[in-house]
Amino acid sequence: QVRLQESGPGLVKPSQTLSLTCTVSGGSISIGSYYWNWIRQPAGKGLEWIGRFYTSGSANFNPSLKGRVSMSVDTSKNQFFLRLSSVTAADTAVYFCARGGMGNYYAPWGQGTLVTVSS
Amino acid sequence: SFELTQPSSVSLALGQTAKITCEGNDIGSKNVHWYQQRPGQAPLLLIYNDASRPSGIPERFSGSNSGNTATLTISSAQVGDEGDYYCQVWDSGTVVFGAGTEVTVL
Repeated sequence: QVRLQESGPGLVKPSQTLSLTCTVSGGSISIGSYYWNWIRQPAGKGLEWIGRFYTSGSANFNPSLKGRVSMSVDTSKNQFFLRLSSVTAADTAVYFCARGGMGNYYAPWGQGTLVTVSS
Repeated sequence: SFELTQPSSVSLALGQTAKITCEGNDIGSKNVHWYQQRPGQAPLLLIYNDASRPSGIPERFSGSNSGNTATLTISSAQVGDEGDYYCQVWDSGTVVFGAGTEVTVL
């Protein structure tokens, strides 16, 4: 059974770069036709897709965040990563990683990690 | 950009049936997916490709999609069904989520 777990700093200063790691267990990140996704949720609000990354190197990002987002993968560690630059308070949210298939639906999800942007 | 509209909240009595709608322009031509998010938890895939249930999801949850409306039906509601429900589609190279519907079981 595949499981995902997010990790990273819980507090980031404005204008700095948010960096998160998603560790995949129970299966190889590079086997199967899966996209690896980041999705976030500000407190009390809905879900916002950030983007997805395929182990071949292809990626798609939310146009509203394009230019600030990058993603990468380390297949040897079964991890994938999110970097979001020039953060502001509006980037404060719970960040989830999730596996997506070619059908563009998401399961499973990690438990989420809260990132607060504040000085 | 493509927009999905959901009711903000739905209330139903224990054991009753609720229908949660997700409206979008010609949404019937797209594959719609539904997620349940209980308080403090990550979203859980409930329905994919309009009407398919992942392994482990009870038959009480069903989906349909036609025209401009997709619908998630919760039958025989239980207290454990309380939470937020989101619809989702893929459109023009990006993922779109509805704003979510808060379900309360009385």
